[in-house]
Amino acid sequence: DTAVSQTPKYLVTQMGNDKSIKCEQNLGHDTMYWYKQDSKKFLKIMFSYNNKELIINETVPNRFSPKSPDKAHLNLHINSLELGDSAVYFCASSHTDRGNEKLFFGSGTQLSVL
Amino acid sequence: SQQGEEDPQALSIQEGENATMNCSYKTSINNLQWYRQNSGRGLVHLILIRSNEREKHSGRLRVTLDTSKKSSSLLITASRAADTASYFCATSDTGGFKTIFGAGTRLFVKA
Repeated sequence: DTAVSQTPKYLVTQMGNDKSIKCEQNLGHDTMYWYKQDSKKFLKIMFSYNNKELIINETVPNRFSPKSPDKAHLNLHINSLELGDSAVYFCASSHTDRGNEKLFFGSGTQLSVL
Repeated sequence: SQQGEEDPQALSIQEGENATMNCSYKTSINNLQWYRQNSGRGLVHLILIRSNEREKHSGRLRVTLDTSKKSSSLLITASRAADTASYFCATSDTGGFKTIFGAGTRLFVKA
């Protein structure tokens, strides 16, 4: 049973298209995140949601719209994709209401914008 | 903004040797964590050390934290080829909603 699962694993698309990445966690965690990892392996936080509410938005362009329908899901929709959006996107979750900030990561979605 | 910076950026050692990676950070923290990332995979949590702790062990891992110098080190003893991966330090604020990662150290262990 995969704890944090995200789909798709690979996403290849043309510039200007709109795409979505889905994430689900079955750990009962209250907080979920999206991170972006660039080609130099630098990992940058994009969003964090706690109990379906947006807590952190790290000056991400508004072309990126996260949606959390419930505590177990956090999806990421990207409009008008640009070349610079090419990266690996990681979903993660944690149990912050128990004071445990350990993050559990999904296996990543490699997005290639052509 | 990037919080942690790791040193060295890359490290190549022989199997059986010890590997030491350092991390420096800029602001006050609640805890510091170390993660491992194998090629093409997600990050895996290794160890968490709280701001009031100075040293922590887990198997072959030893982590130290010096809050006065805003630095931490990760020591992997008796390294194995399977330890080849990227290692990241990460710091969390009090709320725990924002964990920021350093640039990582690429470790290569030669068999």
